Amino acid sequence: NAGVMQNPRHLVRRRGQEARLRCSPMKGHSHVYWYRQLPEEGLKFMVYLQKENIIDESGMPKERFSAEFPKEGPSILRIQQVVRGDSAAYFCASSPSPGSPLSTDTQYFGPGTRLTVL
Amino acid sequence: AQSVTQPDIHITVSEGASLELRCNYSYGATPYLFWYVQSPGQGLQLLLKYFSGDTLVQGIKGFEAEFKRSQSSFNLRKPSVHWSDAAEYFCAVGKDTGFQKLVFGTGTRLLVSP
Repeated sequence: NAGVMQNPRHLVRRRGQEARLRCSPMKGHSHVYWYRQLPEEGLKFMVYLQKENIIDESGMPKERFSAEFPKEGPSILRIQQVVRGDSAAYFCASSPSPGSPLSTDTQYFGPGTRLTVL
Repeated sequence: AQSVTQPDIHITVSEGASLELRCNYSYGATPYLFWYVQSPGQGLQLLLKYFSGDTLVQGIKGFEAEFKRSQSSFNLRKPSVHWSDAAEYFCAVGKDTGFQKLVFGTGTRLLVSP
């Protein structure tokens, strides 16, 4: 069973460009979480999505950041007009639907995308 | 609001020696507690978790952690450290089953000396 997949693993953008980060959850998982890890810090929650729904985006910056999890395909975290302060590692995690027979109340993390803004 | 404190930024342990990594949390109700390990350039791997029941929790790779409500702590331990344990360790707290908006500590970097 493949784990959570993220691509690209490394992404370099110039200030003002757009960054698109992709996350494919584990098979059988319908919930996706995005976290950001700034240098020398712990992970900070950004957004929680299920298919076609944003459940909680309380950790998302108000501007330039958006996330989606369409019915088909991976979850996308989009950062418009990137700035140097967006340089970080972005981690995706997935879990089964709460209350499902598969539910383990545990998030499984992908390897992350390291975004560098020049 | 929930918070997690990992007071040690770096710890160096000799190979074969015992290890204890500290984690203190702040949360009004019964917390859901996790320890994750992150190897360089990798994602986070779950070591163990505590939801309820026995306060001493066994995890993978020989790790264990003890939940102490009176001290608001969830310290990670291993009796004999291996060089491959060198990594960054994160303690995290969630508030409920199901949807877990995890709050992470800032991490402790473990160095293992020969």
